[in-house]
Amino acid sequence: KQEVTQIPAALSVPEGENLVLNCSFTDSAIYNLQWFRQDPGKGLTSLLLIQSSQREQTSGRLNASLDKSSGRSTLYIAASQPGDSATYLCALLNTGGFKTIFGAGTRLFVKA
Amino acid sequence: ETGVTQSPTHLIKTRGQQVTLRCSSQSGHNTVSWYQQALGQGPQFIFQYYREEENGRGNFPPRFSGLQFPNYSSELNVNALELDDSALYLCASSEGTYFHTEAFFGQGTRLTVV
Repeated sequence: KQEVTQIPAALSVPEGENLVLNCSFTDSAIYNLQWFRQDPGKGLTSLLLIQSSQREQTSGRLNASLDKSSGRSTLYIAASQPGDSATYLCALLNTGGFKTIFGAGTRLFVKA
Repeated sequence: ETGVTQSPTHLIKTRGQQVTLRCSSQSGHNTVSWYQQALGQGPQFIFQYYREEENGRGNFPPRFSGLQFPNYSSELNVNALELDDSALYLCASSEGTYFHTEAFFGQGTRLTVV
């Protein structure tokens, strides 16, 4: 059974800091992995989608990496800003599966 | 703006009642999935529809049911509401089956059961 864990559960950093959010999974037979952002009480915004054949994806100040062999993905945020404050969720689709499995998320607070 | 809209945004129901939540997907997105998100947790998969047929279901009882229509709209119906059904309900749409392509989420419906 696939399990997705995100560490830390919460993180507070000063503005301008570079930071890394972690996502680990127990079954490496995944089809893809997606990172989302969720503002309080709101829906999810897709940030980056990494297919299983890819190692990383970049969008602006965000870079996501995927290492299936170690069961890990990281989301790197450069030069963090107060507007980055939100919960960040990783989600993956198993090979041959039909449901996307989410981690519980990391709550990020960037202090001005 | 994801192009996926849900209604209503907030809803209060009494235990034992029935509720219908609605989702309007992006045009051309044949797959819609529904999720339940309890406070402080990640979304839990309820079920998925592809071209009006259910093609996957999570660990939710039969009182959770759905419909998908040809006009890219869909519904989540919950019968015999229980207090634990209080949560944020999210729908997501994508072009391909499952989440093989990028998924786009609506803003959610906050359901409170009292």
